[in-house]
Amino acid sequence: AQKVTQAQTEISVVEKEDVTLDCVYETRDTTYYLFWYKQPPSGELVFLIRRNSFDEQNEISGRYSWNFQKSTSSFNFTITASQVVDSAVYFCALSEAGANSKLTFGKGITLSVRP
Amino acid sequence: SQTIHQWPATLVQPVGSPLSLECTVEGTSNPNLYWYRQAAGRGLQLLFYSVGIGQISSEVPQNLSASRPQDRQFILSSKKLLLSDSGFYLCAWSGNYVAGRGYEQYFGPGTRLTVT
Repeated sequence: AQKVTQAQTEISVVEKEDVTLDCVYETRDTTYYLFWYKQPPSGELVFLIRRNSFDEQNEISGRYSWNFQKSTSSFNFTITASQVVDSAVYFCALSEAGANSKLTFGKGITLSVRP
Repeated sequence: SQTIHQWPATLVQPVGSPLSLECTVEGTSNPNLYWYRQAAGRGLQLLFYSVGIGQISSEVPQNLSASRPQDRQFILSSKKLLLSDSGFYLCAWSGNYVAGRGYEQYFGPGTRLTVT
């Protein structure tokens, strides 16, 4: 069975600080997919990034970066120079390969960025 | 481009009343469709998913049901609501499996249901 653990529940930082959101996953499959979603106060989940299990290359997109390490089963997300608009709940999710596979979500991390 | 709609946006219903939430997707055909519930301060729980018209899989036993009468329409229903049904209901869609991408899911704006 697959599992996603987001041990941090709430993080509060001051604007312009860097912040890292942790995600640890469990799966028996060799092919799987990892995702990060952002849920702002409006409630809609916004897709941020997808990685597949064969691509451990880290990715940077503007102020966002992701560190995928299969050796530790982690897929961490860093926001550099945080802004108030980054305040949201962030979910990490895992999907195994194969037909009709479903997403398993972590419990989410509430990030508050104070001005 | 694809868009996903949900309505109503908010709903307040008394205990024991029926429920019907609707989700429609535009700009794609034969999507996989999903219903999730998010209770206050908690994570997302998958309730139902559908891979085609009339095909519904239930993830958790409850007094809710789902139907897919048309390719891009997904309905969440209940005959009698319970207090515990309160929460934020999200509909999502995904395309066919793509090697290297898996099933990316895209979410609607959600319906906030309060059962009183």
